[in-house]
Amino acid sequence: EDKVVQSPLSLVVHEGDTVTLNCSYEVTNFRSLLWYKQEKKAPTFLFMLTSSGIEKKSGRLSSILDKKELFSILNITATQTGDSAIYLCAPGSGGGADGLTFGKGTHLIIQP
Amino acid sequence: NAGVTQTPKFQVLKTGQSMTLQCAQDMNHEYMSWYRQDPGMGLRLIHYSVGAGITDQGEVPNGYNVSRSTTEDFPLRLLSAAPSQTSVYFCASSYQNPSLRGYTFGSGTRLTVV
Repeated sequence: EDKVVQSPLSLVVHEGDTVTLNCSYEVTNFRSLLWYKQEKKAPTFLFMLTSSGIEKKSGRLSSILDKKELFSILNITATQTGDSAIYLCAPGSGGGADGLTFGKGTHLIIQP
Repeated sequence: NAGVTQTPKFQVLKTGQSMTLQCAQDMNHEYMSWYRQDPGMGLRLIHYSVGAGITDQGEVPNGYNVSRSTTEDFPLRLLSAAPSQTSVYFCASSYQNPSLRGYTFGSGTRLTVV
């Protein structure tokens, strides 16, 4: 059975801090790992990672994948209150269901 | 483009009632899925479809039916609503297998069953 564990489940930091969110996974026929940000409504796509060791960056957000150790991290530097959200990771596989298994998410709160 | 459109946004049902949550996409996406989201549970897959006429069950299919008669529409039917089905429901679509492209999500339907 596919498994996705995100940690921490919740995190409260102050504006300007740097945070690291973790995602470990066990899926069959691994293809990719996706990160989503969810504010009040629908999840929005952040990154898709397919290769180990190659960092993807978008502004203050970055993410990296380790396919040997089966985990990914999402870093946010110089956090702002607008970064407050639930961050979901979803490994994608070539077998079973619709190909994505979502973790429970990390609820990040940035205090001014 | 409207993307993925879900209706209604909010709904209150009485136990035992039936209803249909609507989902439509205008991006010519083959893959469509329904998820439910409960506090602390992440997104759990209810049903999915890889194209018109093809549907399959996900992780939590009991109490729900789907059909996919067109590429654009993927309605979710609650047969006899129960309080355990109180949740936020998201429809999502993807051009190809979402492990390759990710999903585009609708804005969700908040359902309360009393």
